Amino acid sequence: DQQVKQNSPSLSVQEGRISILNCDYTNSMFDYFLWYKKYPAEGPTFLISISSIKDKNEDGRFTVFLNKSAKHLSLHIVPSQPGDSAVYFCAASGESALIFGKGTTLSVSS
Amino acid sequence: DAGVTQSPTHLIKTRGQQVTLRCSPKSGHDTVSWYQQALGQGPQFIFQYYEEEERQRGNFPDRFSGHQFPNYSSELNVNALLLGDSALYLCASSLWFRGSSYNSPLHFGNGTRLTVT
Repeated sequence: DQQVKQNSPSLSVQEGRISILNCDYTNSMFDYFLWYKKYPAEGPTFLISISSIKDKNEDGRFTVFLNKSAKHLSLHIVPSQPGDSAVYFCAASGESALIFGKGTTLSVSS
Repeated sequence: DAGVTQSPTHLIKTRGQQVTLRCSPKSGHDTVSWYQQALGQGPQFIFQYYEEEERQRGNFPDRFSGHQFPNYSSELNVNALLLGDSALYLCASSLWFRGSSYNSPLHFGNGTRLTVT
């Protein structure tokens, strides 16, 4: 029973364009959502988060959008850079530990 | 500012053996969580420690146990290793606040790669 789903295993984008990574969740008790980035041989690194009382949070090139009615969130990266190539994990929590999706591998080509 | 450190980085064990993995949290953090990441999967929550007590546990058997020390460092022990225990084990630290750490971003170490043969 996957409570956090990232249905696209991979995404390829050209440098300078927008990358959109998607995430769906099933548990309506989740109220805090995060995105993590992971490079090979390193642990996941916190990128950006959003509380359920907001529908958008922005940090530089990264913006997270939350649609509570659709139980959907997305991460927008604009403009995409080759250094953004990594695995991106969506994670969510309510009154419980963080639950992670399976990840989406983003490849940004120059 | 020291981040989360884990040791060892790699480990090879034989089925049936026992293993201990170690973690030092980020400076200033008091809560440690352990995750297992199998190949092609996202990290799966094992358990969380605060004030030397297990606060929450994921869907893992009793073969997985842990400990937190007064200096906030932590150990993960796995007994009777199975081939399926081969994975990357990630330690994450955070701050406990108002009865939980669930709205505090986790800071991860680079993990311990465990191979069971």
